[in-house]
Amino acid sequence: DGGITQSPKYLFRKEGQNVTLSCEQNLNHDAMYWYRQDPGQGLRLIYYSQIVNDFQKGDIAEGYSVSREKKESFPLTVTSAQKNPTAFYLCAATQGSGSEQFFGPGTRLTVL
Amino acid sequence: QQQVKQSPQSLIVQKGGISIINCAYENTAFDYFPWYQQFPGKGPALLIAIRPDVSEKKEGRFTISFNKSAKQFSLHIMDSQPGDSATYFCAASTAGGTSYGKLTFGQGTILTVHP
Repeated sequence: DGGITQSPKYLFRKEGQNVTLSCEQNLNHDAMYWYRQDPGQGLRLIYYSQIVNDFQKGDIAEGYSVSREKKESFPLTVTSAQKNPTAFYLCAATQGSGSEQFFGPGTRLTVL
Repeated sequence: QQQVKQSPQSLIVQKGGISIINCAYENTAFDYFPWYQQFPGKGPALLIAIRPDVSEKKEGRFTISFNKSAKQFSLHIMDSQPGDSATYFCAASTAGGTSYGKLTFGQGTILTVHP
């Protein structure tokens, strides 16, 4: 079953804690992305990576960090510096420009 | 200039009717325009996409109309069904350079189809 997996599906965080969201793909796609989704605001790009060991900030990178040590993995860490982290987080992958961007099922993060 | 503006924010249609969602963009470098469908609690899935060299693309009940001079594109859902009830996002991207498939999304339209 090919595609993108994200874990966990639900995540609860206490204020001041860092948490890491997992994203794994078996599509062999080069580029991977992290988006944040809030009600009524569409999808906003956090970080993206074109190749292993390289990544760029998106539109709302503050308070987040990523790594890309393997082609198939692109974990996102939500740090304590992110003031309003409660949201639905989506990971995606694509082979390149103008190609379909495949999305994972998402992780819903709630700060308690 | 990177924004994609989508309207309406929500749409209610009777079963069998036509649903129309519109998007407008400013960046003339955009050359790939996909539409995504998202059900509650799920990730978006590609519905249909168009490039600016054609003015219309149809796949089943779904049609994209593209107006390059007006920098607008729209999604038409014919014979709308209750199962089409979802959130729809338009998006745009540029080929090449450092963008590498980076999509700019509209704000989404919540479609409700009443039986």
